[in-house]
Amino acid sequence: EDKVVQSPLSLVVHEGDTVTLNCSYEVTNFRSLLWYKQEKKAPTFLFMLTSSGIEKKSGRLSSILDKKELFSILNITATQTGDSAIYLCAVVQGAQKLVFGQGTRLTINP
Amino acid sequence: DAEITQSPRHKITETGRQVTLACHQTWNHNNMFWYRQDLGHGLRLIHYSYGVQDTNKGEVSDGYSVSRSNTEDLPLTLESAASSQTSVYFCASSRDPTYEQYFGPGTRLTVT
Repeated sequence: EDKVVQSPLSLVVHEGDTVTLNCSYEVTNFRSLLWYKQEKKAPTFLFMLTSSGIEKKSGRLSSILDKKELFSILNITATQTGDSAIYLCAVVQGAQKLVFGQGTRLTINP
Repeated sequence: DAEITQSPRHKITETGRQVTLACHQTWNHNNMFWYRQDLGHGLRLIHYSYGVQDTNKGEVSDGYSVSRSNTEDLPLTLESAASSQTSVYFCASSRDPTYEQYFGPGTRLTVT
């Protein structure tokens, strides 16, 4: 059965801390891995990772994929209260289907 | 600006009623998807379409149907609503060859 597992499910840290969110997967016909951020409404796209070992970076957020060990991490440095959200990991399977993990609920306290 | 919209944004219905949720996108994307989001489950795929007249079942398709008569719209119908279908429903679209999906604002459905 295809599955995407995120950990931790919930994380509470103080502003300024660095956090690492994990995503492991067992999916047939893997194409790519995507990270989304979901605040109060629709998920918004952060990164797409297709090749192993190549870091994607956007400001304080970065992500990397390991296709041998079947996992990805999302790092957020110098966290801010605006980073509080649910972070979703999804694997592209086959033509265009996404298989999502349960999400990590990140809370940043001032 | 191109966008993806869903209607209604909130809906309360009774068990056994037929309900249709609308999804409309103006990006001219060929791929469209319906997901439901429940606590502890993340987003689960209900149905998807790769183009006009094409529809496919996803992971949790029982009790739902879709039809694709044009590029812009993919309505989701609950044939006979059940309390287990109380959820937040998201529509999304994407265009080949990219994998990034753009999500609508969601519809919160309550079945009483």
